[in-house]
Amino acid sequence: DSGVTQTPKHLITATGQRVTLRCSPRSGDLSVYWYQQSLDQGLQFLIQYYNGEERAKGNILERFSAQQFPDLHSELNLSSLELGDSALYFCASSAPGGGNTDTQYFGPGTRLTVL
Amino acid sequence: AQKVTQAQTEISVVEKEDVTLDCVYETRDTTYYLFWYKQPPSGELVFLIRRNSFDEQNEISGRYSWNFQKSTSSFNFTITASQVVDSAVYFCALTQGWDKIIFGKGTRLHILP
Repeated sequence: DSGVTQTPKHLITATGQRVTLRCSPRSGDLSVYWYQQSLDQGLQFLIQYYNGEERAKGNILERFSAQQFPDLHSELNLSSLELGDSALYFCASSAPGGGNTDTQYFGPGTRLTVL
Repeated sequence: AQKVTQAQTEISVVEKEDVTLDCVYETRDTTYYLFWYKQPPSGELVFLIRRNSFDEQNEISGRYSWNFQKSTSSFNFTITASQVVDSAVYFCALTQGWDKIIFGKGTRLHILP
């Protein structure tokens, strides 16, 4: 158990809908990262937050957004969902250094299925 | 451009055999970090090792060992005396600049009883 929690574990929704994925980092970690894992694209970095502020952006679509709250939990919002958004979404957290050189500990993931 | 190549898509070995998973990387950064992660059938990603570009010492942790060679831009992972529980997808990853990490496509390892 990495100490990172994600909810829900599974989500099934329809095209055009909007969903919110939630992540709670390990105790004491200030950084939260979001990744998408799909069969065709592999594991892709989406976005990083550090202590409430956006720190880095990867291949995140404009239909997706994220935020980190004062209690350090983070939410990833996916809107206008398309079939291709079906994937496993991981959240990771790292120790307070804030950079990508810190070891990231991953949550169990949320499996999103768009029908 | 930064890139991580795991040329072995899938490997099958019989239990107790040794197996090496290859990772070759390309980077323009002079300082960088490399990682290995394991993704068992249950789906979570488990951290295995982090290595910075200035530390070329090989690392051993139980049955796991890692060989980092800057000269060939490789960071290979060997499992000695493999066990069925080692069956998983293994990912090699590389930092990109200060704020990103890129992953290889992964190697699916089957350990046959």
